[in-house]
Amino acid sequence: AQSVSQHNHHVILSEAASLELGCNYSYGGTVNLFWYVQYPGQHLQLLLKYFSGDPLVKGIKGFEAEFIKSKFSFNLRKPSVQWSDTAEYFCAVNTGTNAGKSTFGDGTTLTVKP
Amino acid sequence: EAGVVQSPRYKIIEKKQPVAFWCNPISGHNTLYWYLQNLGQGPELLIRYENEEAVDDSQLPKDRFSAERLKGVDSTLKIQPAELGDSAVYLCASSHSGRPNGELFFGEGSRLTVL
Repeated sequence: AQSVSQHNHHVILSEAASLELGCNYSYGGTVNLFWYVQYPGQHLQLLLKYFSGDPLVKGIKGFEAEFIKSKFSFNLRKPSVQWSDTAEYFCAVNTGTNAGKSTFGDGTTLTVKP
Repeated sequence: EAGVVQSPRYKIIEKKQPVAFWCNPISGHNTLYWYLQNLGQGPELLIRYENEEAVDDSQLPKDRFSAERLKGVDSTLKIQPAELGDSAVYLCASSHSGRPNGELFFGEGSRLTVL
């Protein structure tokens, strides 16, 4: 069974700082990878996704993530965070053979200080 | 496009009482999911429906939890009787079977507190 590990439980940054949130998964086959975000008081929503092709994917609001197959990683990055990026971020994976079952990490809470 | 709708948003009950949560997925989405999210953790799949059929309920505690999706649209998740450890957020999500990669659209969740 696949599993997802997010290394940082809580990250605190000042505005304009760069962000990188780690995500590692365990599964040896084909994977689909996602980052979801939950802003305060809102529902979980998709930030970006990787299915195939270019391993560097761009999402909404200036976020990007890089799939490194050899490291089983899918880290989320943003060059300059804003106060409005304060949210909880979840990495998720499903496999090509069971795309209906997504496994989530435990999430990283990002607090951006103005 | 209307999103996934869940109700109630909040529910407080005493242990041993029953509780039910309702979900209306995005129109046209064949696949519906119920996830459990405990505090400080990520969502965990309870059950997945393809139309009316529960295709994955391996993580659903069947002694006290039940779910149904009549007519392949709305779904209800029931707990009877509730225990203290059931306090959590119950998330409903849906996806379109035409998108086999499994991108999920979530509702706002139903937060259950069992006293």
